[in-house]
Amino acid sequence: AQRVTQPEKLLSVFKGAPVELKCNYSYSGSPELFWYVQYSRQRLQLLLRHISRESIKGFTADLNKGETSFHLKKPFAQEEDSAMYYCALSGVDSSYKLIFGSGTRLLVRP
Amino acid sequence: ETGVTQSPTHLIKTRGQQVTLRCSSQSGHNTVSWYQQALGQGPQFIFQYYREEENGRGNFPPRFSGLQFPNYSSELNVNALELDDSALYLCASSWDRGFEAFFGQGTRLTVV
Repeated sequence: AQRVTQPEKLLSVFKGAPVELKCNYSYSGSPELFWYVQYSRQRLQLLLRHISRESIKGFTADLNKGETSFHLKKPFAQEEDSAMYYCALSGVDSSYKLIFGSGTRLLVRP
Repeated sequence: ETGVTQSPTHLIKTRGQQVTLRCSSQSGHNTVSWYQQALGQGPQFIFQYYREEENGRGNFPPRFSGLQFPNYSSELNVNALELDDSALYLCASSWDRGFEAFFGQGTRLTVV
């Protein structure tokens, strides 16, 4: 079965420190991977998707098919990055449903 | 352009009752997906509607059902509510299947 694993429930870093939010997936086909973010009192929103290969708000994520990983990285964390981050997998069937991990809360301390 | 809106925001129901949650999709979007998010978990796919037809279903019992209307708004119905149905229910719409999903703010359902 397809699955997304985010091993850390909470990641706490100081402002200016590098950030890496881990995401591993299990899927034998060609996955589409996403990172969604939920800021306090806001709705869930797309941060980035692997096919676009963009850097959004300084975040990047590289799909590593060999390690089945899609880790989210930012070289210098900002306080406004504090939020809940969800990794998600799609493309497993015609619905393109999103299969989410359990999420990692990022806390950036001043 | 209005975003995805869900109603009600909060709801308290008694075990065994039935509930209907509503979702207005973003303008121009023909695909609506519903997710259940239990406390401390990521959203879990319930089902999807595409042009008024069900187009995929997650691992949820038949007492979870839905509809999509000609204007592409949608309803989620849950019969015979159980305590474990307490969760945040999220609706997401997209321009078509496989396109970016835009989420509503969710409906918090509490079953007592």
